[in-house]
Order: sequence, then C-alpha cells, then structure tokens
Amino acid sequence: GAGVSQSPSNKVTEKGKDVELRCDPISGHTALYWYRQRLGQGLEFLIYFQGNSAPDKSGLPSDRFSAERTGESVSTLTIQRTQQEDSAVYLCASSLGQGIDTQYFGPGTRLTVL
Amino acid sequence: SQQGEEDPQALSIQEGENATMNCSYKTSINNLQWYRQNSGRGLVHLILIRSNEREKHSGRLRVTLDTSKKSSSLLITASRAADTASYFCATARVDSSYKLIFGSGTRLLVRP
Repeated sequence: GAGVSQSPSNKVTEKGKDVELRCDPISGHTALYWYRQRLGQGLEFLIYFQGNSAPDKSGLPSDRFSAERTGESVSTLTIQRTQQEDSAVYLCASSLGQGIDTQYFGPGTRLTVL
Repeated sequence: SQQGEEDPQALSIQEGENATMNCSYKTSINNLQWYRQNSGRGLVHLILIRSNEREKHSGRLRVTLDTSKKSSSLLITASRAADTASYFCATARVDSSYKLIFGSGTRLLVRP
C-alpha cells in the first residue's frame, strides 16, 4: 500500500518568493501533521489536522506560514515571502486517528531559500 | 522548545556491539516513541512505550521507560552496519498527545 507522499522532494527558491508544499496522507488516515526539521536538529511541530475539527496551528512560527487540508485528503503548506531561516526539511505525517496512534512520515521536502 | 533530549549526540561502535541511546524529557507524558531517520529524510517508527509500561521489546530493540526519572533508553543489540542512522525519541504529552515533541537525536555509526 502507498505510504505518505510529499512533493516536491526538493525546492530551491529565492528569498521573498512564496512556496507551496504538498502532502498526500495514507488513505483512511484522518489525522495529518506537518513538522519542520532544521539541519542537525529534531523535528518541530507546526500544525495538526484531525477530521473536520479546527486545526491546531500552535506550532506555526509566523503568519507567513499557513496550511490547508481538503477533507481527509491532501494538505498544502504555504510559506509566503520566504526567508533564509525557512530553509529546512518539511515533513508530513498521518495517522489513523487522534492521540496515541503511530504517525507515519513522508520522505519530506527539502526547502532551500537563497 | 524541545522536550526530549538524547544522549549521546553521536555514537560510533563496531558491528556486533550493542548501542545504547538515552532520552530525557520534562513533563508528564502519555507515551514515548522512538524513530529512526536515514539520510536526514523520512522517519520510520520503531517502537512506542506507554507511560504505564516499563520495558518493551521488538526484535533487536529494547526500550525502557522510567517515569520517575523522566527518562528512556533504546538498546540495539548485535548492531549491524545497516543500523547506521539518526535515532530520535518523541514524547506525547498528556494534555496534547497528538503533538509529538522530538529530541535532537543521536547519530549512530556502526562500523563494519
């Protein structure tokens, strides 16, 4: 069965440009998560979607970051007016439901802001 | 801020030896999970231990949890070169169990 997929796998952009990162969760998984991983560090929670509930956006670092999810499928993470400190790997994960379920991670999108 | 902190930050061992990694955390947890990451990309879930469990095994992996000390350890026995990767602990807090808090990881190198 297909796992979590993300696109693009790599993205190089210029400072000030907007970028969109896409995540396709595992079919049937109602929960979806975005994390950011800076070089040599652990993952930072960004945002969490669970079904039709209001998302938990508490981890978004600034108002330049936003994310949407259509129903229980695809999610898009948008970063506006990118800055060099936004350079990182952005990882998406999905799980069957809320709480203690195992999170299954995609391969990530490596974003480089020049 | 990160809740989990692993030590050591880096570990180099010979194939066949055991590798032990430790994780400490700060607040009450629902569960603690260990993940593996190859080449800085996707993470693979290894094992989950709940707050009321003290030890768990999965193949060559053994995880312990001491909630009184707020610490966990991951033991990989009879290591192989293919075990070379970064290992992260992640805690699920009681008040927001979906929001995994990751440590900074241990980079394990297993020399053939």
